[in-house]
Amino acid sequence: GQQLNQSPQSMFIQEGEDVSMNCTSSSIFNTWLWYKQDPGEGPVLLIALYKAGELTSNGRLTAQFGITRKDSFLNISASIPSDVGIYFCATPKSGTSYGKLTFGQGTILTVHP
Amino acid sequence: DGGITQSPKYLFRKEGQNVTLSCEQNLNHDAMYWYRQDPGQGLRLIYYSQIVNDFQKGDIAEGYSVSREKKESFPLTVTSAQKNPTAFYLCACGTDFNQPQHFGDGTRLSIL
Repeated sequence: GQQLNQSPQSMFIQEGEDVSMNCTSSSIFNTWLWYKQDPGEGPVLLIALYKAGELTSNGRLTAQFGITRKDSFLNISASIPSDVGIYFCATPKSGTSYGKLTFGQGTILTVHP
Repeated sequence: DGGITQSPKYLFRKEGQNVTLSCEQNLNHDAMYWYRQDPGQGLRLIYYSQIVNDFQKGDIAEGYSVSREKKESFPLTVTSAQKNPTAFYLCACGTDFNQPQHFGDGTRLSIL
């Protein structure tokens, strides 16, 4: 079935460092989504990608839709303490609908002041 | 203030008891969803509803039931048939089935 593998599983970094994480699959997708979950809260959509090779930014966050359509990358520049949380990639199960999403297992980010 | 509200934040129940988790939204969204989250795992879809009076099973529906009698409400019942119900449960809604989902803040269920 559809499975998303996120890497790394966890990261411990110093404030000010840049962060890179990725999400891979054996299947091809038309949409990649990146969510952030703060401790004890629900996920919030950060970035949505719709086209292979697309590079999209949201403040200090930049995400890319892999050319093979089987992967996506999320970068955070100059990390700050409030970047702490779990970052999930997700893709729709069919077509480009957001309705039924498959989520990766998440990357846990810890930022030391 | 518009949004999606889950209650309670924490819920404790004895083994063998059914328990119902509340999800209410005042965003006038048609689509609503229930997910389960376990440590180290992504969110897994339990049930979803595209419109009032209609709902469909997700990937892990066994041991759960839902209803969608009102547009703004999508309660989830965790039945005694669910073998491992302790988890963090998240409700989400979207304008329709083809729009991004907005999540509530979750209910943490613990079975004693």
